[in-house]
Amino acid sequence: TVMTQSPDSLAVSLGERATINCKSSQSLFHSSYNKNYLTWYQQKPGQPPKLLISWASTRESGVPDRFSGSGSGTDFTLTISSLQAEDVAVYYCQQYFTTPWTFGQGTKVEIK
Amino acid sequence: EVQLVESGGGLVQPGESLRLSCAASGFPFSDYSMNWVRQAPGKGLEWVSYIGGSGGTIFYADSVKGRFTTSRDNARNSLYLQMNNLRVEDTAVYFCTRASTTCWECSQHWGQGTLVTVSS
Repeated sequence: TVMTQSPDSLAVSLGERATINCKSSQSLFHSSYNKNYLTWYQQKPGQPPKLLISWASTRESGVPDRFSGSGSGTDFTLTISSLQAEDVAVYYCQQYFTTPWTFGQGTKVEIK
Repeated sequence: EVQLVESGGGLVQPGESLRLSCAASGFPFSDYSMNWVRQAPGKGLEWVSYIGGSGGTIFYADSVKGRFTTSRDNARNSLYLQMNNLRVEDTAVYFCTRASTTCWECSQHWGQGTLVTVSS
C-alpha cells in the first residue's frame, strides 16, 4: 500500500492553520470494526517520532487538542489548528491495514 | 516510565551480519507487541518488523524478508533483530518501538535508535 503525503513541505505563520494530506492507494477502512487503520507521527529534529493520532482521528493522551485527524477510506488529513513554534517538525502518516505497514514520505512543517 | 534502549549498531561490510538488541523496562514486556522501524540518514521512516507479545506472530517488510529475523526473550525483557547478508541500503538508524495500549500496530513508545552503517 502506497502512502502519498502532500505537500512535501509547508510554511505557516504562527497561530495559523496547517493542513497535511495523506492519500492511500487502497482503502484503510475496516468495515467489521468501523475503523480506519491510519496513524500520524510527529518527528522533531534529532528525536525519535512521537505518536500523535491513531485510528485516523483518535488523539493520544497528552497531545494538544490543536492537533486533529480526519478522513476515511483513502483520504486523510492532519490539521494543526493554530501553529505553535514547537510544532516545527516532520509529520508522517502510516497505514497498518495490511502488511507491510507503510509510511508516507513525510511533510516538513516550518514557520513562515 | 517506559524505557527502550537499543544497542548493537555499528559499521559492517556488505554481506556481513549484525544483531541488534532492545532492552525494555517500565512496563510488562510480554503484554505488548513490538516493532522495529528504521530511518536512513536524512530520509523518512520505514517499518521493518513486528512481533506479538508471545512471539508467535511476526511480520516483515519485503525489503528485509529472508535476511532479518526478529525475536524476543520475555524473561529478559529484550527484543532482538538478527540482520544477515546486510546491504548498503540497510544503512539506517534502527528504532525499537512498543505498541500503544489501544492500537497494537501503532508505535507509542520509541527508543533513541542505534545506527547501522553498511559500507565497504
